[in-house]
Amino acid sequence: GAGVSQTPSNKVTEKGKYVELRCDPISGHTALYWYRQSLGQGPEFLIYFQGTGAADDSGLPNDRFFAVRPEGSVSTLKIQRTERGDSAVYLCATSKGTNQPQHFGDGTRLSIL
Amino acid sequence: QKEVEQDPGPLSVPEGAIVSLNCTYSNSAFQYFMWYRQYSRKGPELLMYTYSSGNKEDGRFTAQVDKSSKYISLFIRDSQPSDSATYLCAMKLTGGGNKLTFGTGTQLKVEL
Repeated sequence: GAGVSQTPSNKVTEKGKYVELRCDPISGHTALYWYRQSLGQGPEFLIYFQGTGAADDSGLPNDRFFAVRPEGSVSTLKIQRTERGDSAVYLCATSKGTNQPQHFGDGTRLSIL
Repeated sequence: QKEVEQDPGPLSVPEGAIVSLNCTYSNSAFQYFMWYRQYSRKGPELLMYTYSSGNKEDGRFTAQVDKSSKYISLFIRDSQPSDSATYLCAMKLTGGGNKLTFGTGTQLKVEL
């Protein structure tokens, strides 16, 4: 079946701009996660949704970062006033529920010039 | 000190060798342990998922968890060039949220 789909696969923008990154989960997966991976590092947790609500947003680095999942399926990660330090691969993962394996998409490679 | 330590490598082995990859961790509350494989410009792919201590085998892959030593391992038998990738260990608390804590990943190259 179809895996986690992330769009766009690449995004290049200028410092100060607003970006939106989209995640389409595996069908039937109720839990959705966003991670950020810098070069040579493992993914770092940003936020976790169970259904429509953010159950844990403790990993969001500051208030420029925001994520939504209005209908409990597709999620959008939004970054305002982008900075060069935001450049990274943003990964989305989904699972059938709590304590279930997380399956990742191929990520969005974000470059801030 | 990071919660999860993993040697970044690179690790280079000949085809057919047995590969041993390891992670140590500091938080004794971790209960779920995973190994992911990540090819260049791709997302992490789940290889092994285990709960608490013990061994788990799946084909050429064996995962071991030693909670007393806070040490986990992944063994790859009869390694193939297609196994060349970065291997990430990940861990999760039980009941305390669902976030995964990852190691930095070990880069593996299996040479012909």
